[in-house]
Amino acid sequence: AQTVTQSQPEMSVQEAETVTLSCTYDTSENNYYLFWYKQPPSRQMILVIRQEAYKQQNATENRFSVNFQKAAKSFSLKISDSQLGDTAMYFCAFIHPVNRDDKIIFGKGTRLHILP
Amino acid sequence: AAGVIQSPRHLIKEKRETATLKCYPIPRHDTVYWYQQGPGQDPQFLISFYEKMQSDKGSIPDRFSAQQFSDYHSELNMSSLELGDSALYFCASSLKGTVLNTEAFFGQGTRLTVV
Repeated sequence: AQTVTQSQPEMSVQEAETVTLSCTYDTSENNYYLFWYKQPPSRQMILVIRQEAYKQQNATENRFSVNFQKAAKSFSLKISDSQLGDTAMYFCAFIHPVNRDDKIIFGKGTRLHILP
Repeated sequence: AAGVIQSPRHLIKEKRETATLKCYPIPRHDTVYWYQQGPGQDPQFLISFYEKMQSDKGSIPDRFSAQQFSDYHSELNMSSLELGDSALYFCASSLKGTVLNTEAFFGQGTRLTVV
């Protein structure tokens, strides 16, 4: 069974600093997708970034980038020039889209505080 | 652009009552997922539907049932409510067979409070 592990329950950084959130996963599959979702205090689930496992190039979305290490099954999120609005719960998630069994599996989350 | 719509946004029920949560997927999306997120918890997968048929089942209690209708909207029916059912219920939709298959779009959730 696939699992997603986020080892940092909570983190705090100063505004404008760079922060890295860790995520490891376990799967025997070769074709899968990884995501980082942001859940602000409103509790809406917002997709931050997505990575296809077959792509070696790390995904980047503005201030957000990932370090995808497929062999190590690691998928960390780097937030550069952090802003107060980045304060949220961040979930690492995995999906293996095969046939109809393609539910998203979430990690336990990392609560990120950006301090002024 | 249209997003996933969930209704109601907030719902308060008493123990042993019944609740129905509705989810309207993004137009043309054919797959719907339901998740339950308790306070301070990660989202737990409940059930999913593809083309109006149940495609996968997670930790959904027997007191809960769900279905997807011909217009692809889905309803989660919860009976004999318990205090522990209080949670945020997310619906997500996606479109199989395309790159969007790997990207589920989440609704804003229904916050259910059982008193």
